[in-house]
Amino acid sequence: TQLLEQSPQFLSIQEGENLTVYCNSSSVFSSLQWYRQEPGEGPVLLVTVVTGGEVKKLKRLTFQFGDARKDSSLHITAAQPGDTGLYLCAGAQASGSRLTFGEGTQLTVNP
Amino acid sequence: NAGVTQTPKFQVLKTGQSMTLQCAQDMNHEYMSWYRQDPGMGLRLIHYSVGAGITDQGEVPNGYNVSRSTTEDFPLRLLSAAPSQTSVYFCASSLEAGAKRKYFGAGTRLSVL
Repeated sequence: TQLLEQSPQFLSIQEGENLTVYCNSSSVFSSLQWYRQEPGEGPVLLVTVVTGGEVKKLKRLTFQFGDARKDSSLHITAAQPGDTGLYLCAGAQASGSRLTFGEGTQLTVNP
Repeated sequence: NAGVTQTPKFQVLKTGQSMTLQCAQDMNHEYMSWYRQDPGMGLRLIHYSVGAGITDQGEVPNGYNVSRSTTEDFPLRLLSAAPSQTSVYFCASSLEAGAKRKYFGAGTRLSVL
């Protein structure tokens, strides 16, 4: 059983559509990160959220940390083919503890 | 900036062979770690190091050894490769442990026949 469950596992949409991917847990995290990974490359950090209810925006990407710090979401507005990739969430249960990764959401944006 | 460099990018081994996956970083990061990535499993921590001379086990350490003789290098050794070790391996570094920004290498894709 994964400590962090991501959904959906796969998502294929058309350019211009909006989408939301989720990262859920029954455990509380002191912080949560989102990474994007492209084929043949390692994950690259997009954002870190640390406060319950926090919302961060990165251009067309909006990240939210749940009030109880057990879940997070990533919303993409007007998706573009360049958004295609594997999106991973990763959480730390306490400051200084190891990161635990979710299994990822594979997003494909078709032109 | 080189960042985190992994070699080789691809490797095919026969069962029972040994090999070392190399990882080097030029950012003077104290914390380095090795993950394996398998379909539907996410990234799982194999071993990590909080500084030169210090290593510890992660979630899935069996079949792997590590050492950290310098800050820059953190090699991962497979002593006797098994088909279950077929995976993509990523090395990562960060300034310190925990939820600090991790910088990942490009990965080593390993197949064990």
